[in-house]
Amino acid sequence: QVQLVESGGGVVQPGRSLRLTCAASGFTFSTYDIHWVRQAPGRGLEWVAAISSDGKNVHYADSVKGRFTLSRDNSKNTLYLQMNSLRKEDTAVYYCAKDYYALDTWGQGTLLTVSS
Amino acid sequence: IQMAQSPSTLSASVGDRVTITCRASQSISSWLAWYQQKPGKAPKLLIYKASTLQSGVPSRFSGSGSGTEFTLTINSLQPDDFAAYYCQQYHIYPDTFGQGTKLEIK
Repeated sequence: QVQLVESGGGVVQPGRSLRLTCAASGFTFSTYDIHWVRQAPGRGLEWVAAISSDGKNVHYADSVKGRFTLSRDNSKNTLYLQMNSLRKEDTAVYYCAKDYYALDTWGQGTLLTVSS
Repeated sequence: IQMAQSPSTLSASVGDRVTITCRASQSISSWLAWYQQKPGKAPKLLIYKASTLQSGVPSRFSGSGSGTEFTLTINSLQPDDFAAYYCQQYHIYPDTFGQGTKLEIK
């Protein structure tokens, strides 16, 4: 079945880096744009970034631009979100989601906590 | 593009009809989606392109609107419908979500 599985979350100190991974299965990964959406504890959804199916076009929210880098390896059906210069306000559950007429499939999320 | 969603909280009873509204700060044509989220779970797509029901979503859910004004209507509320709801515009990057509506049991 169509599935997205995020991993790589954890506790990290402010200013440090971390890489999240989104592994896809059950669909032709290379033909879909993929997004990241995050949700801080007790808060609403915040769109983070998106990458085109071929990886050539990437878009970011202003809140992460210059600090986060989104990439993909279509040969491995995997998406990577490299997060640098992390801030406390980056603390959230991070979801990856497949874009097919909006975000039709979501992973279960991975929790990132930025704390000293 | 900013999305203003209202109300932030809505109290209703099983069997009621409820409406949630999203207003865009500029025209987004029909590039709007609605999601349902239950505590501790990922969001679930309900409606895309403002009014198209996602496969498998009950027909009591409906969406309408275009341009800057959109509504999500739930007819005959069921116990499973009490959750949070979000709108999302995907007309222009960066995509943006509304602040959310928590639908509570009265």
